[in-house]
Amino acid sequence: DTEVTQTPKHLVMGMTNKKSLKCEQHMGHRAMYWYKQKAKKPPELMFVYSYEKLSINESVPSRFSPECPNSSLLNLHLHALQPEDSALYLCASSQDPLLSSGGRADTQYFGPGTRLTVL
Amino acid sequence: AQTVTQSQPEMSVQEAETVTLSCTYDTSESDYYLFWYKQPPSRQMILVIRQEAYKQQNATENRFSVNFQKAAKSFSLKISDSQLGDAAMYFCAYRSAKNFGNEKLTFGTGTRLTIIP
Repeated sequence: DTEVTQTPKHLVMGMTNKKSLKCEQHMGHRAMYWYKQKAKKPPELMFVYSYEKLSINESVPSRFSPECPNSSLLNLHLHALQPEDSALYLCASSQDPLLSSGGRADTQYFGPGTRLTVL
Repeated sequence: AQTVTQSQPEMSVQEAETVTLSCTYDTSESDYYLFWYKQPPSRQMILVIRQEAYKQQNATENRFSVNFQKAAKSFSLKISDSQLGDAAMYFCAYRSAKNFGNEKLTFGTGTRLTIIP
């Protein structure tokens, strides 16, 4: 089972709204990721959580605030977004990197994404 | 820093034929992983195939196979017996073999594959 779920599928918000994106996996993965993807472009990494701790922040503006409350759940809190933040937001997860070399900690499995529109 | 280059923005192939998508990368590391992901119109990124750099044997997954040339830093994807469901954007991606702060996937710009019935 390599399923990562994301809610909502679509989100429309105004620039003064506060909203959250949710990502969930039940594969026992210990690393989770947020990517932003603009139309016709590759995904761009935003954040990485490893063992529920933030390990990579790719200089993302503070209007994006990630949270990893437990090993299965990853949230992205949105506040005071700009129209240029409209994009597809993808979540991914990967196995525990401390597993034996037989594991595939290198491989990221993606969710279906949330399409965000900021008006 | 690592870079990944896909020089073919668009490709097309007749149904049931074979097509090869190109990918080159640049890195100073000796141990890494390479991937091909497929993104159909539904926009979900789907793993197609994975290659470990320290393995000389080319990875295969059913109709999908790669030609991995480590010295040339080349990683092409061959799709045999193309099917309509193969139509998608294909991204080549690189990941360091290191962990804990090095999990970033570096993507190429993608190749849009069209299947002609």
